Amino acid sequence: EDQVTQSPEALRLQEGESSSLNCSYTVSGLRGLFWYRQDPGKGPEFLFTLYSAGEEKEKERLKATLTKKESFLHITAPKPEDSATYLCAVQTSGGSYIPTFGRGTSLIVHP
Amino acid sequence: GAVVSQHPSWVICKSGTSVKIECRSLDFQATTMFWYRQFPKQSLMLMATSNEGSKATYEQGVEKDKFLINHASLTLSTLTVTSAHPEDSSFYICSAPSPRTSGLQTQYFGPGTRLLVL
Repeated sequence: EDQVTQSPEALRLQEGESSSLNCSYTVSGLRGLFWYRQDPGKGPEFLFTLYSAGEEKEKERLKATLTKKESFLHITAPKPEDSATYLCAVQTSGGSYIPTFGRGTSLIVHP
Repeated sequence: GAVVSQHPSWVICKSGTSVKIECRSLDFQATTMFWYRQFPKQSLMLMATSNEGSKATYEQGVEKDKFLINHASLTLSTLTVTSAHPEDSSFYICSAPSPRTSGLQTQYFGPGTRLLVL
């Protein structure tokens, strides 16, 4: 069974304090890994898609990386507006294109 | 990116009534849409796959007679919660896969509908 585990469950940072969120996965065959940001009371907002190990993508203060077993979402010098829940999802090559989601990491950045 | 809308954004209803939630893809066509349910501090739980022109596919444990799904057109799917009860109170989110150009199809999510059943 495909599994996606995100850690930590919650993370509190001071503004400017860089850190990383982890998404580890166990799947039969990875077609792609997605990162989403979800603000309270809203639907997830797409951030990145990663396809293969070694790939990296950046957007403002966020950088996503991928290995064969996990993905990291690095947040450099975060600001309070980066506070949100970050969701990771994987799509496998097993036929279904429905992604499997992790439970998310709730990030709070204090000013 | 592609835009998906939902209506209403929140609804309060009495126990026993039915509630309809609409999901629209605004700038692209979607033959398939997905309906999720999310409890506080929990991840997205897929309820069903909505298919244009055919019956929806429900995930295990989801009552198809309680959660009626109709994919009326290539841009509209509706979820009707029939005879709602307080335990149906939740955050319902729909998504639609982006038009396939190359690579993977990204899921674009609606803003969600908060349902409170009294």
